[in-house]
Amino acid sequence: DTGVSQNPRHKITKRGQNVTFRCDPISEHNRLYWYRQTLGQGPEFLTYFQNEAQLEKSRLLSDRFSAERPKGSFSTLEIQRTEQGDSAMYLCASSFRRIVSGETQYFGPGTRLLVL
Amino acid sequence: GDSVTQMEGPVTLSEEAFLTINCTYTATGYPSLFWYVQYPGEGLQLLLKATKADDKGSNKGFEATYRKETTSFHLEKGSVQVSDSAVYFCALKLGQAGTALIFGKGTTLSVSS
Repeated sequence: DTGVSQNPRHKITKRGQNVTFRCDPISEHNRLYWYRQTLGQGPEFLTYFQNEAQLEKSRLLSDRFSAERPKGSFSTLEIQRTEQGDSAMYLCASSFRRIVSGETQYFGPGTRLLVL
Repeated sequence: GDSVTQMEGPVTLSEEAFLTINCTYTATGYPSLFWYVQYPGEGLQLLLKATKADDKGSNKGFEATYRKETTSFHLEKGSVQVSDSAVYFCALKLGQAGTALIFGKGTTLSVSS
């Protein structure tokens, strides 16, 4: 169990550029979540995958955002035409439901995005 | 809607002091409750959880009891250490699986020696 990994850890981009982040979940976890965290706030849900299917999207996820999870393994989150308001920490979490203990989400270290 | 409210920080304590961080929630159903901790420069780590009323979660000397009657899940530790300095997040989750966590805004704890 190597934990959830995210790349890159930091990204600086200019307004209007596209950026893509990657998340590698814990290997046996079939659920994957993306959250966004801005300074001084708790994480806010963006979207959720079960295996390769994207089952839920938050209203925070505008049409400039797209997420994929091909083959139910790693996931990518792309932001097109970035805006300064997109500057935040983007967190990925994965989970696997256990009958007795339920579901616990394990978080990666996050990708910090700064849009200039 | 469903939400979590945490006491505002920062909380500043001396080493070996008693810690309480208040957390209350509003939920339409019967949530599971969590405390996550975020150390400087690191990601969120699960600290403890409770899945039903009167359950007590505990880990690393921290405890929290799920109180349905007061809709609370206060975090406590009897004797804090400098290494406990971090941001603490209370969160809830409704449903069995595949639902998002709803987080509070976080409480910053600073412990001095």
